[in-house]
Order: sequence, then C-alpha cells, then structure tokens
Amino acid sequence: HLQLQESGPGLVKPSETLSLTCTVSGDSISSSTYHWGWIRQPPGKGLEWIGSIFYSGSAYYNPSLKSRLTISVDTSKNQFSLKLTSVTAADTAVYYCTRYELGIRGGFDYWGQGTLATVSS
Amino acid sequence: EIVLTQSPGTVSLSPGERATLSCRASQSVSSSFLAWYQQKPGQAPRLLIYGASSRATDIPDRFSGSGSGTDFTLTISRLEPEDFAVYYCQQYGISPRTFGQGTKVEIK
Repeated sequence: HLQLQESGPGLVKPSETLSLTCTVSGDSISSSTYHWGWIRQPPGKGLEWIGSIFYSGSAYYNPSLKSRLTISVDTSKNQFSLKLTSVTAADTAVYYCTRYELGIRGGFDYWGQGTLATVSS
Repeated sequence: EIVLTQSPGTVSLSPGERATLSCRASQSVSSSFLAWYQQKPGQAPRLLIYGASSRATDIPDRFSGSGSGTDFTLTISRLEPEDFAVYYCQQYGISPRTFGQGTKVEIK
C-alpha cells in the first residue's frame, strides 16, 4: 500500500528557505509510470500546484514560483524534496506531496497527510 | 494558464438529495484531462473522478462526472452524510496544472 509522508520544519523565518522532504513507501519512486509532485493550500484557501519531478530528475515548475523553487529526487532513499527560497507570509500553507501519472489517468491519486509550514519571525 | 471557475460557491442540501456542481474552464481542456477531488476538514483531498468521467479506485457510483471542452459537471446522485465536504475540479491538460476555487456542499 503506497504511502507518502512529508517532513520538514514547521516554522521558517521570512526571507529564508523552506525545505521539505517526501518519503515514499510501498512503491519505488523510480517507477517509469509516475511523477511525484507538491501541492500547497494556504489556511482556509484553495489548492495550488507547485511543481513535479520524474525519477530521472526532470522537473516541472509552476511559473509563479519557478524563480524561487527547486524540486529534486533521491532514488536511493525513495524521497523527493522541495526548496523554496526567499519565503514570505504568503508562502504559509499546508504542503502536500502527491503522485500522478501522465495521460488520461493524470489525477493526483495519492497524497501525503500534509505538513503546515508557517513563515513568521 | 487555464482558469477554472466553480459554481456555486456553497450549496446547502439535505441527505438523499442530488448535488450538481459546475466547473467552467477559461479555455478548452484538452482530451478531457479534468479531475474532481473531495476534501474534508483537516484531510488531504481525495481523487474522485479523472478523465472528466472515470471514477477513481473505490469511489462509489453515486459520484459521476461529465462534460468536455470548457464545461464540466460533478453529480452526486444521493447525498450521504459523509459527502458533505468541499469539492475541487482540476485540469491537467496544460501546464501549469490548475484547480478551481472549490464548492462547499453543506448540510441544509
């Protein structure tokens, strides 16, 4: 049974870097079928796709965040990670890691439980 | 990017009633690459529908999706108590993947 688990500091200071890791269990992140991604949700608001990565390292970013964002993968640890630089209060959100495949079945079918990252001094 | 507009923002219904939720796209969603999600408070979203009309694994058949192009609908045929939640549509035909703002289905 596939499980995704986010981890990282819950509190980040303004202008610093938010770093989160998603650990995948129950399946290999090196599957050629799936991509792995991040989605966030500010408190009381809607969902925003942040970006995604394939096991090969090919990454895809939301243009609204691209200049501050790096997503990477570590197949040896079955993990993928997010780094968001120069954070502000607007980056405060629950961050989810997810899985999807390309094509018609491309919905986000597995989600982590989410981790709240708060930007505050 | 494709903007998805959901309506209504909130709908108040009773258990057993039918719910019809709308999602309109600012441009055509290619190949009906549209999904629907359900989110309950404090939980991650759950995939209900992909490809505009295909139910995801273990989703009850009271949930159905329809539509193409720019207009899509999620229908819940008979609301169960556990169906009261927020529902989001999402397109994955063009990057960036985008979500609608959500429709809340609340108990009347």
